[in-house]
Amino acid sequence: DAGVIQSPRHEVTEMGQEVTLRCKPISGHDYLFWYRQTMMRGLELLIYFNNNVPIDDSGMPEDRFSAKMPNASFSTLKIQPSEPRDSAVYFCASSFMGQGNTEAFFGQGTRLTVV
Amino acid sequence: SQKIEQNSEALNIQEGKTATLTCNYTNYSPAYLQWYRQDPGRGPVFLLLIRENEKEKRKERLKVTFDTTLKQSLFHITASQPADSATYLCALTSGNNRKLIWGLGTSLAVNP
Repeated sequence: DAGVIQSPRHEVTEMGQEVTLRCKPISGHDYLFWYRQTMMRGLELLIYFNNNVPIDDSGMPEDRFSAKMPNASFSTLKIQPSEPRDSAVYFCASSFMGQGNTEAFFGQGTRLTVV
Repeated sequence: SQKIEQNSEALNIQEGKTATLTCNYTNYSPAYLQWYRQDPGRGPVFLLLIRENEKEKRKERLKVTFDTTLKQSLFHITASQPADSATYLCALTSGNNRKLIWGLGTSLAVNP
């Protein structure tokens, strides 16, 4: 397996524009996580899915953020409209939890810059 | 509120020495604690997981301890190498909760 694949790797957009980040998890994994990482706040969990169903979105900062997982092999994180304070690295991670907690496999991340 | 603290200052050590990184937590009763390595421009990579009923876990040159009384985990890299230079993150989760709470990480530099 190629691991967790995210696209794009870099995104520069103007304030007010819609941004869509994409993630393909590892095949067979039943959990998918979206994180945001900044120097000041570190890794923050935004939302996670179990078997394509959103379980906890309490980390989503505002209604401008939304996430979907239409099937087991694809998820999107959308920001509309984007603001400069959304600039960060966004990571997608997947896990196979089975009966207990296990490691998370991260993608390479998407570095988002909103100007 | 729940809080995880890691050494905020970068750790510089000489090649061959043992690096020891600290992860302290408050207002939390984790069932699992994990350590990850992150290199610049890349996502975190899993290293070790330790459960609340385990005191110590080892993997090659890595050792993790977990003291639920002190609310602390120590991460050791023995016989350190320049290739071990990276940021190391600890993360906690409790029970059936799948959410990981993360520290800000400690930057380690191993000098040749």
